[in-house]
Amino acid sequence: EAGVVQSPRYKIIEKKQPVAFWCNPISGHNTLYWYRQNLGQGPELLIRYENEEAVDDSQLPKDRFSAERLKGVDSTLKIQPAELGDSAVYLCASSLDNARGDGYTFGSGTRLTVV
Amino acid sequence: AQSVTQPDIHITVSEGASLELRCNYSYGATPYLFWYVQSPGQGLQLLLKYFSGDTLVQGIKGFEAEFKRSQSSFNLRKPSVHWSDAAEYFCAVGARSGGSNYKLTFGKGTLLTVNP
Repeated sequence: EAGVVQSPRYKIIEKKQPVAFWCNPISGHNTLYWYRQNLGQGPELLIRYENEEAVDDSQLPKDRFSAERLKGVDSTLKIQPAELGDSAVYLCASSLDNARGDGYTFGSGTRLTVV
Repeated sequence: AQSVTQPDIHITVSEGASLELRCNYSYGATPYLFWYVQSPGQGLQLLLKYFSGDTLVQGIKGFEAEFKRSQSSFNLRKPSVHWSDAAEYFCAVGARSGGSNYKLTFGKGTLLTVNP
């Protein structure tokens, strides 16, 4: 079974440029999460989807970040414009449901460097 | 709101030595507790979890953890560390966060170095 696939693995952009990350969750997992992991920190939730609906986006900086999950499968996270402080690893995870917080499968992440 | 504290940023042990990684949580009720491991350039892998019942839980790769309600702790242990255990370890607590939302909150992690 393929795991959670994320692309690209690495991205270097100049500040004020846009950037997008893509995530393909495990087949059948209806819950999808985007986390941001700053250097030396644990992951922090940005947004959670139940199928195609964003049900928890309270931590998403909506002035510059946006996300979508078309047809309840793949998801894209976008930053426009990027700032130096956005440099981090962006992790995608999926699970069958959100009942207890177990059963998460994480992707390898996208490491973003903003220069 | 829930929170997780991992007091040790970096721990170094010799191969074959025992290991204990500390984790303290803050939450008003009994939380769901997890330990994850992250190798360089990899995603997080679940080592073990506690929901209820026996407070000593066994996980993969020979790890175990003990839930102590009186100390709000969920420490991770391994009797004999292998060089391949070198990685970053994250403790996490799962709890309700507003309405029906369920949120997984991570600690800042403990980096484990294993000396030969």
